Amino acid sequence: QLQLQESGPGLVKSSETLSLTCTVSGGSISSDSYYWGWIRQSPGKGLEWIGTFRFSGTTYYKPSLNGRVTISVDTSQNLFSLRVTSVTAADTAVYYCARHPAVARGTNYRAPSFAVDHWGRGTLVTVSP
Amino acid sequence: EIALTQSPATLSLSPGERATLSCRASQSVGSYLAWYQQKPGQAPRLLIFDTSNRATGIPARFSGSGSGTDFTLSITSLEPEDFALYYCQQHSHWPTFGPGTKVEIK
Repeated sequence: QLQLQESGPGLVKSSETLSLTCTVSGGSISSDSYYWGWIRQSPGKGLEWIGTFRFSGTTYYKPSLNGRVTISVDTSQNLFSLRVTSVTAADTAVYYCARHPAVARGTNYRAPSFAVDHWGRGTLVTVSP
Repeated sequence: EIALTQSPATLSLSPGERATLSCRASQSVGSYLAWYQQKPGQAPRLLIFDTSNRATGIPARFSGSGSGTDFTLSITSLEPEDFALYYCQQHSHWPTFGPGTKVEIK
């Protein structure tokens, strides 16, 4: 049974870096059939995709966040991480890690579907002044 | 970025009634539209992907339809556990979510 578990500080100071880890059990992040990623949810912005990757090395970030966001992978521990730099109050949210299938679309036989079939339970991160 | 609007914002119904939820995109997303259900304190759960495909384990009372910019999620006969928030998400371009429809007990 696949499980995803987020972990990391619940409080980050404004202008500093938010760092979260998603530990995966019951499945391998090295699978070529899936993408893994991060989604956040806040009262102001609702649900928002942050970024996603496949083990082969393909990574996509939300265009408006590009430059502040990095997703990294540790296959030896079967986990992946999120870093968001220069945080502001607008980055306060519940952060979810997620899995979604790779699908065939056009000429890309391993495109991200973005239809999330497994979610972590979420972790609240608050940015303080 | 493609914007999604959902209507109504709140749907008040009784168990056993049919629910019809709408989602409209600011530009065509083809058939790349998903629906999620979320209950308080929980992560969303995938119900429907690619407009009309039920996710694993989703009961047949949930169905999706539409194409282009207009989509519908139907729940044929509401069960007590179906009262929740429902979000649509387009996965044609960079994915975006709608603001949600709350299905509440009348």
